[in-house]
Amino acid sequence: EAQVTQNPRYLITVTGKKLTVTCSQNMNHEYMSWYRQDPGLGLRQIYYSMNVEVTDKGDVPEGYKVSRKEKRNFPLILESPSPNQTSLYFCASSLGEMNTEAFFGQGTRLTVV
Amino acid sequence: QKEVEQNSGPLSVPEGAIASLNCTYSDRGSQSFFWYRQYSGKSPELIMFIYSNGDKEDGRFTAQLNKASQYVSLLIRDSQPSDSATYLCAVAGGLGTSYDKVIFGPGTSLSVIP
Repeated sequence: EAQVTQNPRYLITVTGKKLTVTCSQNMNHEYMSWYRQDPGLGLRQIYYSMNVEVTDKGDVPEGYKVSRKEKRNFPLILESPSPNQTSLYFCASSLGEMNTEAFFGQGTRLTVV
Repeated sequence: QKEVEQNSGPLSVPEGAIASLNCTYSDRGSQSFFWYRQYSGKSPELIMFIYSNGDKEDGRFTAQLNKASQYVSLLIRDSQPSDSATYLCAVAGGLGTSYDKVIFGPGTSLSVIP
């Protein structure tokens, strides 16, 4: 089954404690991206990657890091989480050509206290 | 700041009616346009994408793009209660941006009343 898998689904953490949200896709997609979704603000792109070792900033990259060492994985790293990073996070992947057929993961609800 | 705007809703339509969802974007050079549906508590799922001016139809859904007016819409014919969801407009590409950078609108909540 074609899918994008995020882990964990729910996470509560404390300010400053480094965390990683994993994302893996099994469709051999070149393009992967991370979004955060906040009420009234919609989905905002954090980072995206057009291929292995190629990443670029989206609209809200501050406080986040990503890496793309393998085609299937695109982890999101919060080195020092803060309460304003409390949000619902989605990973997505697509073939890359004009971002068609984007598949989203199930989402990760992160709370930073 | 490049923006994508949608009518905020909520939009309520009776079952069987046509639901019309609208989206405007600020970057005149934008190249790709998408409509996603998101049920409450779920991930967005792609419904339609359109690149060229005009209409694109897929079943009960029609996407309409007018680049001169910087306007894209989604029509849902014969609306069903199962269409009740939030609809997200997304725009990719654009002048001075990476081709694959995507900007989403805030979404329009649609409620189809039986």
